[in-house]
Amino acid sequence: DIQMTQSPSSLSASVGDRVTITCRASQGISSYLNWYQQKPGKAPKLLIYAASSLQSGVPSRFSGSGSGTDFTLSISSLQPEDFATYFCQQTYNVPPTFGQGTKVDIK
Amino acid sequence: EVQLLESGGGLVQPGGSLRLSCAASGFTFSTYALNWVRQAPGKGLEWVSAISGSGGTTYYADSVKGRFTISRDNSKNTLYLQMNSLRAEDTALYYCAKPTSGWYIIDYWGQGTLVAVSS
Repeated sequence: DIQMTQSPSSLSASVGDRVTITCRASQGISSYLNWYQQKPGKAPKLLIYAASSLQSGVPSRFSGSGSGTDFTLSISSLQPEDFATYFCQQTYNVPPTFGQGTKVDIK
Repeated sequence: EVQLLESGGGLVQPGGSLRLSCAASGFTFSTYALNWVRQAPGKGLEWVSAISGSGGTTYYADSVKGRFTISRDNSKNTLYLQMNSLRAEDTALYYCAKPTSGWYIIDYWGQGTLVAVSS
């Protein structure tokens, strides 16, 4: 199975900050990388698919980049509603695997 | 509007069985593969199983292979997960999940149904 490792596991940030989360795959996955946001008590929400494509309805302050083994999710200006946990997911092969999550909380 | 409504969770003893259901609406059910994804309390996401639109192709995580069976009834727009030989480590919130296209990029999730395995 492909292992997905996110860093950091948690971070504290302020409204308006630029935030970057990284995800590393244990082997090359081309651009088969997706990002989800999950708020407490809620199901995950798809933000980015295919490494850099913004899901419909997701604010443009979210962006994704990378290919191969190293990927990033960036939030250009953190908003109050962005405090959540973020997961990466590879869909290069079966089983699809998720990173362990990055919790973004208020500084 | 796409809706996925899971049911069937509960408390079960180790070695026991449960069948989860997911009633779907708002999309052409038979044309989409579907997934079960679980999340242990306070933990991350773990893909469990997937099934093709016709039901003829299925995939399982190694952790559940041989114990869980995914199926679907396209006449009832319902997805199932039969879980046998349950273990404490199967305790989790189980989500029914629909992909955007293909199999595994999930754009709709249910609210989840909680399975607790304990004596």
